[in-house]
Order: sequence, then structure tokens, then C-alpha cells
Amino acid sequence: DAMVIQNPRYQVTQFGKPVTLSCSQTLNHNVMYWYQQKSSQAPKLLFHYYDKDFNNEADTPDNFQSRRPNTSFCFLDIRSPGLGDAAMYLCATSRDRGAGADTQYFGPGTRLTVL
Amino acid sequence: GQNIDQPTEMTATEGAIVQINCTYQTSGFNGLFWYQQHAGEAPTFLSYNVLDGLEEKGRFSSFLSRSKGYSYLLLKELQMKDSASYLCAVIDSNYQLIWGAGTKLIIKP
Repeated sequence: DAMVIQNPRYQVTQFGKPVTLSCSQTLNHNVMYWYQQKSSQAPKLLFHYYDKDFNNEADTPDNFQSRRPNTSFCFLDIRSPGLGDAAMYLCATSRDRGAGADTQYFGPGTRLTVL
Repeated sequence: GQNIDQPTEMTATEGAIVQINCTYQTSGFNGLFWYQQHAGEAPTFLSYNVLDGLEEKGRFSSFLSRSKGYSYLLLKELQMKDSASYLCAVIDSNYQLIWGAGTKLIIKP
């Protein structure tokens, strides 16, 4: 089945220790997104890639970086996690942008705990 | 600014019908989505409306009025597994997806 896969599902890290979250997709979608979601809040867009074009949201902290080495994979790097970065991190894909192709399909998420 | 409003929480009875409303003020409009999110899980796509009217998909229906900036999600024959948060999201003129905070739906036996 075509899908969006995130690893790991649960990640525990220490304050200030870098962590990398991964996402892969078998949908062959052009666009990939990273969201941060805290309890009872809307998902907050951190970045998106339209093919290889990287788009950073204006209020995404510099502590967050992303890489998309190929169509299928995307990584989220948190350089120095703080307690406030504990959240669910969601990866999503869409076939394209606009013209009704915007439906986003989500992976299961990675729950990050910062000790 | 851009804003999406939906009730924070609703309660309904198993077997009944519930309507979850969403109003939006965005810079342009290119479609409205409803997603279901169970606690601790990722959102799953339910519906997409871009034209006015009602879209029916099994027990779930979604309605859109662009002139009123208004949508609702209608859930019929409620089941306990429908207990979840329901998120309304709008694509604006820049093809950015603007999310509401979600409505937590509690189903009681």
C-alpha cells in the first residue's frame, strides 16, 4: 500500500542533544511537509518542499533544519532540542499544490520527548 | 489576519447525528478540508469542498458556503469510534493550508 512512513514513532532525547526524525513516502508526491503539533492545538507548519525547492515558514526557529535528499525521503533535524520542542512531529505529502491536488496525507507521527 | 473558528468541544450520543461548524476568514480560498484525528495519532483525510453545496461520503457529509465563509461536517449514526478531534483547514490564495484548532467530539453510550 502506498503510504507515508515516519521513524521512529517515539523519540526520547536529552536537552540540547541533536535529534533527527525521518519520513519516507511511496506515493511519489511532489510536496512534503513537516508539522509540529502540541496537545489540543492545530498542526503548525515548519517547512515544506515543493520537489527540491525548500520553503521555510517565517516563524520556524533556526533550531529546526530539514533535508530532502530525494523524492521519497525527508528529514527533520533539531539541532539543540529544548523542553518547548516536545511535541508530535507530523510528516505529510501532497501530489502537488493547487488545482485540487492539495490533499495532504499524513504519516503516523513521531512523538518527541525532551528530558 | 487569517482565522478559522470551530467549537472546542462537543458531546453527542451513540447513534445520533452531530454537526460540527467551521467559519473562516482567509486571504483567498482554494478549498476546505476536514480531517479526523484520534488522540495520539495523525490526522486522516475526510473530505474536500471547493464548490458550494453538500458532499456526502457514507455516514459523513460536508457542506460549504463560500459567500458565508462557512462549512459544517455532519456525522450520522454516531459510533463510539467517532470520538476524535475534527479539524477544519482552508487553502488560501497562496496555497497555504490554514488550520483550525479542532473540535473534540465526545460520544456517550
